[in-house]
Amino acid sequence: EIVLTQSPGTLSLSPGERATLSCRASQSVSSSSLAWYQQKPGQAPRLLIYGASSRATGIPDRFSGSGSGTDFTLTISRLEPEDFAVYYCQQYGSSRTFGQGTKVEIK
Amino acid sequence: EVQLVQSGAEVRKPGESLKISCKDSGYSLTTYWIAWVRQMPGKGLEWMGIIYPDDSDARYSPSFQGQVIMSADKSISTAYLQWSSLKASDTAMYYCARVAVYFGAFDIWGQGTMVTVSS
Repeated sequence: EIVLTQSPGTLSLSPGERATLSCRASQSVSSSSLAWYQQKPGQAPRLLIYGASSRATGIPDRFSGSGSGTDFTLTISRLEPEDFAVYYCQQYGSSRTFGQGTKVEIK
Repeated sequence: EVQLVQSGAEVRKPGESLKISCKDSGYSLTTYWIAWVRQMPGKGLEWMGIIYPDDSDARYSPSFQGQVIMSADKSISTAYLQWSSLKASDTAMYYCARVAVYFGAFDIWGQGTMVTVSS
């Protein structure tokens, strides 16, 4: 089973700042089969990025994904108030697993 | 609008059985894999398994194999998750989600079903 480790656990930033979230896999993720989800309190997760770098329908361009192999990054270029949430990475190249999440909180 | 609509919150006692549902609204559920995801209180997301409603082909995460059963009734575009004997540790929010055909991530999610198991 591929284990995904996200860092940091919590990111404290102010609106307008740049957020950089990391997701590291215990083995190579095939075909960049890596997704990112956003979850706000009391809501279901929402797909942001698939294929490591493709934005899902309706996702603002301030969200971007990059990486390949075992190292992946989600970047939020300028944090908006609605972006403070928990973010999960997921690999779907070999079965499926989620990372443990990174909370982006208001500083 | 494409939606997955899940059944309502449930409260059960340990040892009881339960079946929760996930119904599509707006597209043919039988043409997509449906995933189930657990989220225990205050914790992260855990992938439980996927099912193809058209033929009920089901694949389970090793962590959930033998603990739950996924099924589907394609005639009513509904997928199910069931337990034969609940434990307190099954208390969680359970989400169903559609597996996107072309890229394998979960592109549409149900609203979640909260299951509480308590004596």
